[in-house]
Amino acid sequence: EAQVTQNPRYLITVTGKKLTVTCSQNMNHEYMSWYRQDPGLGLRQIYYSMNVEVTDKGDVPEGYKVSRKEKRNFPLILESPSPNQTSLYFCASSKGGIQPQHFGDGTRLSIL
Amino acid sequence: GDSVTQMEGPVTLSEEAFLTINCTYTATGYPSLFWYVQYPGEGLQLLLKATKADDKGSNKGFEATYRKETTSFHLEKGSVQVSDSAVYFCAPQGTGRRALTFGSGTRLQVQP
Repeated sequence: EAQVTQNPRYLITVTGKKLTVTCSQNMNHEYMSWYRQDPGLGLRQIYYSMNVEVTDKGDVPEGYKVSRKEKRNFPLILESPSPNQTSLYFCASSKGGIQPQHFGDGTRLSIL
Repeated sequence: GDSVTQMEGPVTLSEEAFLTINCTYTATGYPSLFWYVQYPGEGLQLLLKATKADDKGSNKGFEATYRKETTSFHLEKGSVQVSDSAVYFCAPQGTGRRALTFGSGTRLQVQP
């Protein structure tokens, strides 16, 4: 089954404690992306990757890092989380270009 | 930059009622247009798309027509079901853009 898998689905943690949210896709997609969803703001892109070892900032990259060492994986790293990063996060992938994106089920992060 | 205006929700309808969710956008170049749907506790799923003016995207009884002259992409369904209860997102992707631009979403509640 074609899917984008995120882990964990839920996480409550404290300010300053480094965390990583993993994302993996099994569709051999070149393009992967991270979004955050906040009430009234829709989804906003954090980072994206056009292919292995190629990453770039989206609209709201501050406080986040990513890496793309393998085609299937695109982890999101919060080196020093803060309460304003409490949000619902989605990973997405697509074939590239302007193609429909496939989304994971989301990771709800709470930073206390 | 690109932007999307969607009607505020929640929209509450009775089963078998007619649905319209308005969407207008500004986007760079000649955008592709998408509607995504988010069911409770899940990620976003592509509902339908249109890539050029006057194209009609359709899926699961939902339709939307790419209106370039009015920069609109309104979502319609002739007879909604309880199972259509979800949040709907309009999302253009402008030429050269690496991300979808999401509206804030419209929550639809269908009552039996």
